[in-house]
Amino acid sequence: GENVEQHPSTLSVQEGDSAVIKCTYSDSASNYFPWYKQELGKGPQLIIDIRSNVGEKKDQRIAVTLNKTAKHFSLHITETQPEDSAVYFCAASMNFGNEKLTFGTGTRLTIIP
Amino acid sequence: GAVVSQHPSWVICKSGTSVKIECRSLDFQATTMFWYRQFPKQSLMLMATSNEGSKATYEQGVEKDKFLINHASLTLSTLTVTSAHPEDSSFYICSARETGGNAGYTFGSGTRLTVV
Repeated sequence: GENVEQHPSTLSVQEGDSAVIKCTYSDSASNYFPWYKQELGKGPQLIIDIRSNVGEKKDQRIAVTLNKTAKHFSLHITETQPEDSAVYFCAASMNFGNEKLTFGTGTRLTIIP
Repeated sequence: GAVVSQHPSWVICKSGTSVKIECRSLDFQATTMFWYRQFPKQSLMLMATSNEGSKATYEQGVEKDKFLINHASLTLSTLTVTSAHPEDSSFYICSARETGGNAGYTFGSGTRLTVV
């Protein structure tokens, strides 16, 4: 089955700087890659996603890049703010909408004011 | 946007009793819903895939007789933890995606189960 690795496990960034979180996946058949933000005691919230026919996607301060050849994708957060502090999970799915998501191990992001 | 409502948000039960958790898609229909379990400071682990009108598909190592899943309608799936034990204490989260739609998976707010 699919295996998703995520790095780093913790990340501290000065407010205003950029944060980058990286994930690799094992199954080349995976074609959907979402990123979730989870705050303490809450369910994950989708912040951005990308499908395998696209190499990059951006939504305001958040961007995701996908390298299908290398089987890795990354989350980029620019101009970080204190409210960006949370745990971030990447995930992969082999058939968007019909297949389960396999999650990475999570990154605890702390924004230092 | 799509909303998934999960209840209760927290529950405390005595060891040996059963607890039911509900997951509802409020503004869309979902043929398939997913149930996850998350231990403190860990990732989400898929427990089972809930299919409307048919039996759930359980992940390896998840006891289907202990974690009963019912998906009786296109907007409701329930997870019942039977004969709960302290080791079942965890954060349970459901997710769903609109059938035939183009949106991503939406997650519920989670249920914190504590078995005493």
